[in-house]
Amino acid sequence: EAQVTQNPRYLITVTGKKLTVTCSQNMNHEYMSWYRQDPGLGLRQIYYSMNVEVTDKGDVPEGYKVSRKEKRNFPLILESPSPNQTSLYFCASSAQGQSDTEAFFGQGTRLTVV
Amino acid sequence: AQSVTQLDSHVSVSEGTPVLLRCNYSSSYSPSLFWYVQHPNKGLQLLLKYTSAATLVKGINGFEAEFKKSETSFHLTKPSAHMSDAAEYFCVVGVFGNEKLTFGTGTRLTIIP
Repeated sequence: EAQVTQNPRYLITVTGKKLTVTCSQNMNHEYMSWYRQDPGLGLRQIYYSMNVEVTDKGDVPEGYKVSRKEKRNFPLILESPSPNQTSLYFCASSAQGQSDTEAFFGQGTRLTVV
Repeated sequence: AQSVTQLDSHVSVSEGTPVLLRCNYSSSYSPSLFWYVQHPNKGLQLLLKYTSAATLVKGINGFEAEFKKSETSFHLTKPSAHMSDAAEYFCVVGVFGNEKLTFGTGTRLTIIP
């Protein structure tokens, strides 16, 4: 089954404790991205990757890092989480750039930073 | 630059009546437009997309949307609402070659039995 898998689904952590949210897709897609969803703001892009070793900033990259060492994986790293990073995070992938092709989304990771 | 405005944050309709979710966009270039649906505790799923072909786009589950360039609108409609349509709906604009999607703030659709 074609899917985008995020882990964990739920995470509560403390300020400053480094964490990684994993994202994996099994569709051989070149394009992957991370979004955060906050009430009243819709989804905002954090980072995206057009292929292995190619990443770029989205609209809200501050406080986040990503890497794309393999085509299928695109982890999101919070080196020193802060409470304003409490949010619902989505990973997405698409066969080409997202501007005109369907994006497939993971189930989401609800992160709480206390 | 591109932006999208969903005109209603919350819409309630009775089961069996028509659904209209409104979306206006702004784009410096010819846009691609999408509607995605998010059911509770789920990821987003594509309902339909417009990419400069036919202006009336049919999607899944009986939804359709019409691209109106003169009105810069891309409203989502369905003739008859079903209880399973209760979800949050996002209008999204993209521009080919610019790897950025801009999401609206969402419209929560409630279906009254």
